[in-house]
Amino acid sequence: GAGVSQSPRYKVAKRGQDVALRCDPISGHVSLFWYQQALGQGPEFLTYFQNEAQLDKSGLPSDRFFAERPEGSVSTLKIQRTQQEDSAVYLCASSLQVVNTGELFFGEGSRLTVL
Amino acid sequence: QQQVKQSPQSLIVQKGGIPIINCAYENTAFDYFPWYQQFPGKGPALLIAIRPDVSEKKEGRFTISFNKSAKQFSLHIMDSQPGDSATYFCAARATGNQFYFGTGTSLTVIP
Repeated sequence: GAGVSQSPRYKVAKRGQDVALRCDPISGHVSLFWYQQALGQGPEFLTYFQNEAQLDKSGLPSDRFFAERPEGSVSTLKIQRTQQEDSAVYLCASSLQVVNTGELFFGEGSRLTVL
Repeated sequence: QQQVKQSPQSLIVQKGGIPIINCAYENTAFDYFPWYQQFPGKGPALLIAIRPDVSEKKEGRFTISFNKSAKQFSLHIMDSQPGDSATYFCAARATGNQFYFGTGTSLTVIP
């Protein structure tokens, strides 16, 4: 596709359920980022991949959060045993370059609501 | 701790006005400062960016002013239009490719 594609766009989960959010980056983009955006806030860094290697996961808020990009293309963010504080929009972004110039291409996000 | 502090939280201007959004940072290791524009229901999109060795950058109606000694930078939108109504985020790049975003400014341009 022409841009970064995320699915599902909306997800409602009951507290304690596991969820998986998918990101299809722009073809050929080396770098992939996950961000969490709470209502009325800026995106907060979660994790970063360069190809299939997860180079930085310092932003993951707890061990309930796990991300993978096994073939260096599609990435999945998994949240286990969801809590209400996990409710947010999860943004995926990709970048062509290894050394990031700041041109992150964002998807439209996956809005997670935990009841 | 907020790595990049952004103000104001919201801004309303008349069409043709010049809204100014300000950001400040502490980490002198930041080496790249982009601004992103976000419309409701969409992801942020890169608007304009600057490196710290430049004091000003202009692209169309958008200008970044950068004050390295004060560790501050700002976005100016000339001749603002209703279509500019959106949320604007400043950001800063740290070593390791991690970007820190401000909390956002909701801009409304009244026709």
